[in-house]
Amino acid sequence: DAGVTQSPTHLIKTRGQQVTLRCSPKSGHDTVSWYQQALGQGPQFIFQYYEEEERQRGNFPDRFSGHQFPNYSSELNVNALLLGDSALYLCASSLGTGFKKAFFGQGTRLTVV
Amino acid sequence: GQNIDQPTEMTATEGAIVQINCTYQTSGFNGLFWYQQHAGEAPTFLSYNVLDGLEEKGRFSSFLSRSKGYSYLLLKELQMKDSASYLCAVSGNAGNMLTFGGGTRLMVKP
Repeated sequence: DAGVTQSPTHLIKTRGQQVTLRCSPKSGHDTVSWYQQALGQGPQFIFQYYEEEERQRGNFPDRFSGHQFPNYSSELNVNALLLGDSALYLCASSLGTGFKKAFFGQGTRLTVV
Repeated sequence: GQNIDQPTEMTATEGAIVQINCTYQTSGFNGLFWYQQHAGEAPTFLSYNVLDGLEEKGRFSSFLSRSKGYSYLLLKELQMKDSASYLCAVSGNAGNMLTFGGGTRLMVKP
């Protein structure tokens, strides 16, 4: 039973570029949440997708957008990258929108230079 | 708004007991979670408390007092592999999202 998988594991981008990160939820899960974790800090909630719609959003600018596909996998897109976007991006999956234990992927380490 | 505080760093000795505290102020409360995160790895679930009291699971226990906005994670018989960051997270009124504290980096020394 595969857990939450994210790709790529590491990525280096230049300021102003765009990036797409991908997440496949744990088998049987239908809800995907994205978090940003800066070095030495706790994760910060970006948004959550359920039934292919954004259900909840944290305090992040519109440069951060996402999508969920019919197979429940999800993408996180970040436009006009800033140096401050350098972080570990975590995907968490769960079943349904009522909060249950979330399982995290290993994350994508994004470095913006 | 939501605010979660926990110590930045703690050091303990192998075989000892350590308590990591977490205080929170949130809009509503749907549960408090503790996660363990080793450097460069994903957070892994440790415990979930929604009612007051102590939840014990092997060497790890978690306590919650909703009236005080307070929780702690207790680690017994510390092992070197317990060196990691411990994240306290609360699910508030906005049900689905977790608000995390900054994490407590625990170093276990021989």
